[in-house]
Amino acid sequence: EAGVTQFPSHSVIEKGQTVTLRCDPISGHDNLYWYRRVMGKEIKFLLHFVKESKQDESGMPNNRFLAERTGGTYSTLKVQPAELEDSGVYFCASSRNTGNRETQYFGPGTRLLVL
Amino acid sequence: AQTVTQSQPEMSVQEAETVTLSCTYDTSESDYYLFWYKQPPSRQMILVIRQEAYKQQNATENRFSVNFQKAAKSFSLKISDSQLGDAAMYFCAYSRYGGATNKLIFGTGTLLAVQP
Repeated sequence: EAGVTQFPSHSVIEKGQTVTLRCDPISGHDNLYWYRRVMGKEIKFLLHFVKESKQDESGMPNNRFLAERTGGTYSTLKVQPAELEDSGVYFCASSRNTGNRETQYFGPGTRLLVL
Repeated sequence: AQTVTQSQPEMSVQEAETVTLSCTYDTSESDYYLFWYKQPPSRQMILVIRQEAYKQQNATENRFSVNFQKAAKSFSLKISDSQLGDAAMYFCAYSRYGGATNKLIFGTGTLLAVQP
């Protein structure tokens, strides 16, 4: 089966611009997670979808970030307006809803650079 | 709040030798999961090994094994007979058991180099 895919792989934008990241989970995976790694720091959780519903969005840094998962398939993460501190690698992961034994499968990430 | 600490930013090992990567964590929960993920250069992060906190037996997956010390909140990864393909960034991660979300809490990673 196809793995988790993310688009674009890289994005360079200027401060104040808008960027939209996309994640396509593995088919049939109800759970979709977004994470972010800022250079040299830990990977931090942003939010968790179960199908189209936001299960946990406690990691979203502020209201400049908007995540959607219409129809419970792919998800988008929009940053508007982007700030310098938003630079980093944004990872998406998906998993089947198998309770506590779930394994999260990660995408390759989107490298975002805000100048 | 739960935290995960990896105190070794970089490690190096000779091919065929054994290396141990350290990880400590902090939690007030009694049931949880611990993971080691591997991210090779320019490739996707993959799960290496998982440990359930309620299990006393250390998890093993082929050349990869863990030393889980629950009282000490320590979870190290041992790689035996290291191979060139083991070169990667390794992340230790924690997840609650039984919560509404299985979000992962990661450490900062250890970059492992394997010398031929």
